[in-house]
Amino acid sequence: SAVISQKPSRDICQRGTSLTIQCQVDSQVTMMFWYRQQPGQSLTLIATANQGSEATYESGFVIDKFPISRPNLTFSTLTVSNMSPEDSSIYLCTAGGRDYGYTFGSGTRLTVV
Amino acid sequence: QKEVEQNSGPLSVPEGAIASLNCTYSDRGSQSFFWYRQYSGKSPELIMFIYSNGDKEDGRFTAQLNKASQYVSLLIRDSQPSDSATYLCAALYSSASKIIFGSGTRLSIRP
Repeated sequence: SAVISQKPSRDICQRGTSLTIQCQVDSQVTMMFWYRQQPGQSLTLIATANQGSEATYESGFVIDKFPISRPNLTFSTLTVSNMSPEDSSIYLCTAGGRDYGYTFGSGTRLTVV
Repeated sequence: QKEVEQNSGPLSVPEGAIASLNCTYSDRGSQSFFWYRQYSGKSPELIMFIYSNGDKEDGRFTAQLNKASQYVSLLIRDSQPSDSATYLCAALYSSASKIIFGSGTRLSIRP
């Protein structure tokens, strides 16, 4: 399985600012995904990060708010833009493949004040 | 609407017994299925994945897939208190390039 390094692990941000979260994978992977998890709830897919093309966003998530980059097959970033307290959550990236599963980064706990 | 359904629990099982966790999915286009364990405050940990009908065993864990019934299950044998966690079922919809998660089942192993 792929090993994913995610950072930062946590941050406290002022409303109106932006935070960029990074995920580095130890091997080349085709598919990377970004999720959000509210306390006590399951994972909500934000978008699929596609290498060499724009990310594919789920309903309720837009590129202007959550721009994603995928410059190569081992790296992706998610930016949470113009943050409000409602963006406080845990953000997770995952990567892998059908034949060996998908592993998660350690997550970024974001608090917007 | 692609969905993955799980009983939220909590499911309480005595130590040493078999814990059985179930999951159904709505879209026959799903191709691979995953079970994750998540401890409070931690990110999900992949424990099993399966994409062929039948059983797949790894140590104390067995994943079962029945594509005709659109049903996936996870059996944990010889349950230990350390198995107490939330278990998430997920399905990979390759046609749509997305992984959809169920709401999770809380499992509690009582000594």
